[in-house]
Amino acid sequence: GAVVSQHPSRVICKSGTSVKIECRSLDFQATTMFWYRQFPKKSLMLMATSNEGSKATYEQGVEKDKFLINHASLTLSTLTVTSAHPEDSSFYICSASPTGGGANVLTFGAGSRLTVL
Amino acid sequence: QKEVEQNSGPLSVPEGAIASLNCTYSDRVSQSFFWYRQYSGKSPELIMSIYSNGDKEDGRFTAQLNKASQYVSLLIRDSQPSDSATYLCAVSFTDKLIFGTGTRLQVFP
Repeated sequence: GAVVSQHPSRVICKSGTSVKIECRSLDFQATTMFWYRQFPKKSLMLMATSNEGSKATYEQGVEKDKFLINHASLTLSTLTVTSAHPEDSSFYICSASPTGGGANVLTFGAGSRLTVL
Repeated sequence: QKEVEQNSGPLSVPEGAIASLNCTYSDRVSQSFFWYRQYSGKSPELIMSIYSNGDKEDGRFTAQLNKASQYVSLLIRDSQPSDSATYLCAVSFTDKLIFGTGTRLQVFP
């Protein structure tokens, strides 16, 4: 089955530093990947759609300069939280589907828990 | 803004009972609907998908879709304590998946 690997699973950083989270599709190619954010006891909020070889599409209210997304290959998308602050502490989850598959065959990564001190 | 609404719960049911989870959505154009289960600290896992009006059964799970009412539900028969989790309804909007707020289900022995 399709596998999406997300790394790191947990990260703790100091306020003001930047943190990079990687999302890899291990056994399929993904033109599009999605980044979600989840606060405790809240639902998944779509942050942005990552498009291979082009700029990401950000949802309303998400700061593109703070959450940098790079999708340089068909198997890797990265999310960089720049100048992190404690309010950025959250569970970040990526998802991907095989090229042309759409939402119907979406596979989720295991998530990355970010804690900003 | 596209919205997917669920009752946050918790919904408490005894072991062996039927748990009924409900979801409404705002966009009439949506064609694909999903139910995910999420355990605390984990990412969501897909339980069911449904695309056409009516019922779809898979083991103890039955998804029901009514596009005219913009309503989708999930029934869990013979509920087990291991079913205790948050259940997320998700609706696709032009290839993006938008999640509802989730309903926490508690199955007590």
